[in-house]
Amino acid sequence: EAGVTQSPTHLIKTRGQQATLRCSPISGHTSVYWYQQALGLGLQFLLWYDEGEERNRGNFPPRFSGRQFPNYSSELNVNALELEDSALYLCASSLRDRAQHFGDGTRLSIL
Amino acid sequence: AQKITQTQPGMFVQEKEAVTLDCTYDTSDPSYGLFWYKQPSSGEMIFLIYQGSYDQQNATEGRYSLNFQKARKSANLVISASQLGDSAMYFCAMSQVMEYGNKLVFGAGTILRVKS
Repeated sequence: EAGVTQSPTHLIKTRGQQATLRCSPISGHTSVYWYQQALGLGLQFLLWYDEGEERNRGNFPPRFSGRQFPNYSSELNVNALELEDSALYLCASSLRDRAQHFGDGTRLSIL
Repeated sequence: AQKITQTQPGMFVQEKEAVTLDCTYDTSDPSYGLFWYKQPSSGEMIFLIYQGSYDQQNATEGRYSLNFQKARKSANLVISASQLGDSAMYFCAMSQVMEYGNKLVFGAGTILRVKS
């Protein structure tokens, strides 16, 4: 069974640009979660999608947004990139109240 | 609000010995789940073990066991017979039960180094 897959592995952008990160959940999982892990910090919850709907979002500005597609894959969009957006972005999927399984992450670097 | 506290920034353990990683939590929800994840230097998050708030017995998964003390609000991870490959960052997390699933709140993590 394939795990959670994220693309790209690395992404380099400059300030003010827009970034799109993608996530494919484990087959059958309907919930997708996005987390940000800045250098030296723990994971901060970003967004949660289930059945195509945004269920909850963390304490991040509106320029962090996303969506979930009918096949349950998801995109995270970050507009007007700032230097402090440099981080590892992790996607996780789960079956409702079961354990969340994570992908390998996308390392976003802002120059 | 839910909170997870991991008070050990870093730990060393000798290979083949057991080690306990501490985790305390705070919540007013009667129903919650506690998780431990391992994050090697490569970055991926690996699910290790889960304990439900209503589970009567401590969870075990191979060399991992969770010492759940509900009254003290602690959920320590015990790794038995440490291996060099156990060197990684370990995160304790709590799930906030919601209608459609769970949102995880993570602790700051503990770096574990296994010495040969």
